Amino acid sequence: AQSVAQPEDQVNVAEGNPLTVKCTYSVSGNPYLFWYVQYPNRGLQFLLKYITGDNLVKGSYGFEAEFNKSQTSFHLKKPSALVSDSALYFCAVRDSRNNDMRFGAGTRLTVKP
Amino acid sequence: AAGVIQSPRHLIKEKRETATLKCYPIPRHDTVYWYQQGPGQDPQFLISFYEKMQSDKGSIPDRFSAQQFSDYHSELNMSSLELGDSALYFCASSGGTDEKLFFGSGTQLSVL
Repeated sequence: AQSVAQPEDQVNVAEGNPLTVKCTYSVSGNPYLFWYVQYPNRGLQFLLKYITGDNLVKGSYGFEAEFNKSQTSFHLKKPSALVSDSALYFCAVRDSRNNDMRFGAGTRLTVKP
Repeated sequence: AAGVIQSPRHLIKEKRETATLKCYPIPRHDTVYWYQQGPGQDPQFLISFYEKMQSDKGSIPDRFSAQQFSDYHSELNMSSLELGDSALYFCASSGGTDEKLFFGSGTQLSVL
């Protein structure tokens, strides 16, 4: 079965600095990888996904993620963080062979002015 | 540790029937979220509850309704089922000192 790990409970960055939220995965087949964001008392919002093609995926709100097959990672990045980016971020993986989704435990991103 | 429990794990229904899915959050979690994931699709947020009140609403059809009970478990009621309702429905909970989301394993609904 597939699994995903987000090794950091919390990430703190200063506004304007680059940010990285880490995600590693384990899957038997080819991975479909996703990032979602959750704002307080709201449902998950889709940011971006990797299915196939370029390893660097660009998504909503200036976020991007890099698929690294050898390291089984899919880290979320943004060149210049905004205070409004402060939220919970969830990485997810699905095996291309089935519909079963697995989410990471989430990482709290705090961007300070 | 206790996790989010969803029942049933699998459900098969026919068109125009009704279905009820249940979600039991982690103890002391006061918030429940429902998601629908169609075959090969991304999860779509349906609805959420906080302290037994609806807190957010997503792309939930009018044929669906949901509520959160006094013990914080939640039920998703689906009526006049359509073939397109076939999907994995999963819920997540949060609350207490855990601000993170914890997901259940989902209910696989098949409408024939």
